[in-house]
Parts: sequence; C-alpha cells; structure tokens
Amino acid sequence: ETGVTQTPRHLVMGMTNKKSLKCEQHLGHNAMYWYKQSAKKPLELMFVYSLEERVENNSVPSRFSPECPNSSHLFLHLHTLQPEDSALYLCASSQDVTGGGYTFGSGTRLTVV
Amino acid sequence: AQSVAQPEDQVNVAEGNPLTVKCTYSVSGNPYLFWYVQYPNRGLQFLLKYITGDNLVKGSYGFEAEFNKSQTSFHLKKPSALVSDSALYFCAVRDPNTGGFKTIFGAGTRLFVKA
Repeated sequence: ETGVTQTPRHLVMGMTNKKSLKCEQHLGHNAMYWYKQSAKKPLELMFVYSLEERVENNSVPSRFSPECPNSSHLFLHLHTLQPEDSALYLCASSQDVTGGGYTFGSGTRLTVV
Repeated sequence: AQSVAQPEDQVNVAEGNPLTVKCTYSVSGNPYLFWYVQYPNRGLQFLLKYITGDNLVKGSYGFEAEFNKSQTSFHLKKPSALVSDSALYFCAVRDPNTGGFKTIFGAGTRLFVKA
C-alpha cells in the first residue's frame, strides 16, 4: 500500500447510472489530484485540489464532478458516462502543489457499458 | 506550454546490461522533472525527481537520471538491469512558473528486461 487508497478497484456501470469513486490518504498531504489513464495515451490531469479548494479543472466534461470534503478524502462523482470514459482513474496526493513527487493510489478500473 | 516526450514506446534490454529510457521536455523556465514507474494493475510509483542542484539525480531501486539543460533531456538510467525492472516508465514535467500544480506526463515507455 502506498498510503493512498482508492475504492472500488473495479467498476462496471451503465451509461445511465450514477456512481462515485473514492480516494483516501492519511499522509498529511495538502494536495490531491484525479488523473485519467487510457491505453496508449499520456495521463490526463482532470482535477487538482489544494487545501480542499479546487485549483484546476482541466476542461473535464460536467459528467465528472469532483468533491473534496477534507484534505484526506477526494471523490469523483460519475453520471451519464460514455463508453469512451472507460479507463483507469488514478488518484494522487502530494505535500503541496509545487515541488514534491506524487503518491498514487492503485486506481479504479472503470468500464462503461 | 509545457510538454514532455518519450520517443520510445518500448525498450528491450538483457538482464545485467545497462538501460536507458529517454525523455525530453519543453517548458518556459526551469523545470521540475520526475520519473515514475507503473507495475501491472497498480498506480504510478515515484522514482526520482530533479528540482535544482546536481544534474545527476539518484532514486529508488538503483535508478538515476541526468538533467541536461542544453538538450532539454532527463533520461532515466540504470547500470545493470534486472528482470524485475520490467514495467511501464513515465517521465513528467512541471513548470513552477505557471502555477506549479500542473504535472504533465509522457505517454510512457514499456521496459522489457529479458533473462
């Protein structure tokens, strides 16, 4: 375990469903991130939170909705997704948003059917 | 805008031989540079970073990387490869002059180490 825990590990959902991905860290980090990893493509930064405040929304469709209720938890709420949204969704945290490396969770493998 | 390129989709190396995984970057100022490794069904794992100082950076598992400002490169190296090094490697760059929180990742290079 890296210290960043993501649940569930796997998720299959229909295009009309609503589901949420959860990320939890107890490393004392102040910044948390959502990335999307698709096959043969670079990781795509989706959202950045610093001290529970969203500091970056990287042109992500509104069917993805993040929530950061405190510095240890980050959610990604999903609704009316498309098949092309199937990917590995990675959560990461860092001490702050500037110089440090990230600690990643193991990801949630999402399949939209 | 910052960008990072990993020109090789795959690198094949025999066990015991030295390995190099290439990375070039583009940023407007002085970059923060990172290497991560990803094993199957796992998230990315931090290997090493360059922020400032000595151009040769040493990281986890015997890996090192050399920052070359004139060539805008940050190649990952290891003197003697192990079969267990087989994984997907990502180079990443962050431009501290543009807010600092956007870390851009390359597409990844798959390393195969053959016994």
